[in-house]
Amino acid sequence: QQQVKQSPQSLIVQKGGISIINCAYENTAFDYFPWYQQFPGKGPALLIAIRPDVSEKKEGRFTISFNKSAKQFSLHIMDSQPGDSATYFCAAVIETSGSRLTFGEGTQLTVNP
Amino acid sequence: EAGVAQSPRYKIIEKRQSVAFWCNPISGHATLYWYQQILGQGPKLLIQFQNNGVVDDSQLPKDRFSAERLKGVDSTLKIQPAKLEDSAVYLCASSFLIQETQYFGPGTRLLVL
Repeated sequence: QQQVKQSPQSLIVQKGGISIINCAYENTAFDYFPWYQQFPGKGPALLIAIRPDVSEKKEGRFTISFNKSAKQFSLHIMDSQPGDSATYFCAAVIETSGSRLTFGEGTQLTVNP
Repeated sequence: EAGVAQSPRYKIIEKRQSVAFWCNPISGHATLYWYQQILGQGPKLLIQFQNNGVVDDSQLPKDRFSAERLKGVDSTLKIQPAKLEDSAVYLCASSFLIQETQYFGPGTRLLVL
């Protein structure tokens, strides 16, 4: 059962533009929402994460927006750069039940120079 | 600090053959995870160890997959016999403790012919 849905599947933006990736979840028990960045041939690496008690978290050019009532969260990449070209995964965790990451399907981002 | 090491990086086998993957987590990390990442999908947890004990193996196909973590450090994941649908990247991750950031290795890409 797919518990985290991610869109779009692929995204192309111009350098300097804003990249937006959306995720929706079903299980209200999730209490931690990380985003991972994966380059070809590498494992995923934690980018930024949020808990549902806040609506937004910003780290540099990366921002997570969280809407608890809609069970949705999104990643915004400001001033996108060619080096941001990678696959991005949202994920969700029930921390009180161990730390199994439930991943979305992934978004392949291409930033054109 | 060295990252999570995995070997081999690539493996091609015929269906019904056996294969084993090895993982060396970050030094001092008590928790170790094996994920399966099928092309175009997010990683799916197969098994989670805390030291040398299994915490979660609910998504491990136990009729063909097995894993062990002797002495609470290195781990091996085995598939016997392999099926075509096992073609995927097998990712190992580790964290200092449960509920802490998971660090992923580069993965082993398996192709079953």
